[in-house]
Amino acid sequence: AQTVTQSQPEMSVQEAETVTLSCTYDTSENNYYLFWYKQPPSRQMILVIRQEAYKQQNATENRFSVNFQKAAKSFSLKISDSQLGDTAMYFCAFMKPNAGKSTFGDGTTLTVKP
Amino acid sequence: EAQVTQNPRYLITVTGKKLTVTCSQNMNHEYMSWYRQDPGLGLRQIYYSMNVEVTDKGDVPEGYKVSRKEKRNFPLILESPSPNQTSLYFCASSLSIGLPTEAFFGQGTRLTVV
Repeated sequence: AQTVTQSQPEMSVQEAETVTLSCTYDTSENNYYLFWYKQPPSRQMILVIRQEAYKQQNATENRFSVNFQKAAKSFSLKISDSQLGDTAMYFCAFMKPNAGKSTFGDGTTLTVKP
Repeated sequence: EAQVTQNPRYLITVTGKKLTVTCSQNMNHEYMSWYRQDPGLGLRQIYYSMNVEVTDKGDVPEGYKVSRKEKRNFPLILESPSPNQTSLYFCASSLSIGLPTEAFFGQGTRLTVV
């Protein structure tokens, strides 16, 4: 079974600064997908970024980028130029292709301070 | 507009009174899933469905039932709710399980069992 660990229950960052959220996972699979989801106070779950394990290049979406270290089973999220609207809970998630089960971490609550 | 719709958004019920939380998606997605979110536990998968008439257990299926008679609908049924099922529930769908893409989440259903 897969496990996903987010070791930082809470983090804060000043507006315009950079913050990194950590995520580690455990799997024996070679092909899989990793996701970061954002859950703002509205509770809506929003996909932030996705990484395919077979791709060595780290995924990037505007101010959001990941540092994917497959051998270390690490998948951290970097948010650059933090904005007040980035305040949310962030979940790391793992999924295998052609398999219905997904595994989420416990979440990291990020507060961006003005 | 592409969306996943859950109903109701809020529900307070009594122990043992059967209830159904509906979930409908308008994107012709093959894959649908139910999660519960509890403080400190992240999102835990209850059941998922890879296609019509194909459902399988997630990590916490006890006390829940699902059905997938049509592609667009995936209701969650609590035959005899208990207080430990008080939680925030999310339904999600995505296009294909073969290539996990963005999962679209519903708005969430806050269930309280007294």
